[in-house]
Amino acid sequence: RKEVEQDPGPFNVPEGATVAFNCTYSNSASQSFFWYRQDCRKEPKLLMSVYSSGNEDGRFTAQLNRASQYISLLIRDSKLSDSATYLCVVPNAGGTSYGKLTFGQGTILTVHP
Amino acid sequence: DVKVTQSSRYLVKRTGEKVFLECVQDMDHENMFWYRQDPGLGLRLIYFSYDVKMKEKGDIPEGYSVSREKKERFSLILESASTNQTSMYLCASSTPGGNTGELFFGEGSRLTVL
Repeated sequence: RKEVEQDPGPFNVPEGATVAFNCTYSNSASQSFFWYRQDCRKEPKLLMSVYSSGNEDGRFTAQLNRASQYISLLIRDSKLSDSATYLCVVPNAGGTSYGKLTFGQGTILTVHP
Repeated sequence: DVKVTQSSRYLVKRTGEKVFLECVQDMDHENMFWYRQDPGLGLRLIYFSYDVKMKEKGDIPEGYSVSREKKERFSLILESASTNQTSMYLCASSTPGGNTGELFFGEGSRLTVL
């Protein structure tokens, strides 16, 4: 299993739809997880953190399943502005160095009118 | 707001040239990172540093070196650029903490090696 692996996408959804992305990770010792958002031709920015079973922030919900070693990101009532690449991130996924993060390859979301 | 500034947004270099990519952060962060981002491969860690003059290899350090002489500045060096180093290079910084997940990225430097 890759250290961090995401649904490849792309996901094309209409406005108002609910969409979910999954991400699997290999290091069972990982304690925290993150979703980043990257707009086209921009740098990645932190969207949400997940430290326990889940986290909710408005239309966005991140859930963690430790037994199956995956995290998910759910977006409800999609907006055009949600179009971006969503990156799953796991700290120290390689089990080595301090402060190191491993990024998934990203899932592209396009929300259309 | 945290500011991470990369010196060049776009560079075009020739094979064999030495390339310097500079990164400066203004939030007194201990940790600094260099990633490259390629389509289908995501972000891959080249090198990182958790203190002045300290550096550690990431996942793909071959063909690169780094320098951290001052806390706010982290430089990536390509000693002899090759075409397979054409990529988007992203610098980031963060505060210490084994589970710290927030990296602050610069806008990126798109390097083309001809």
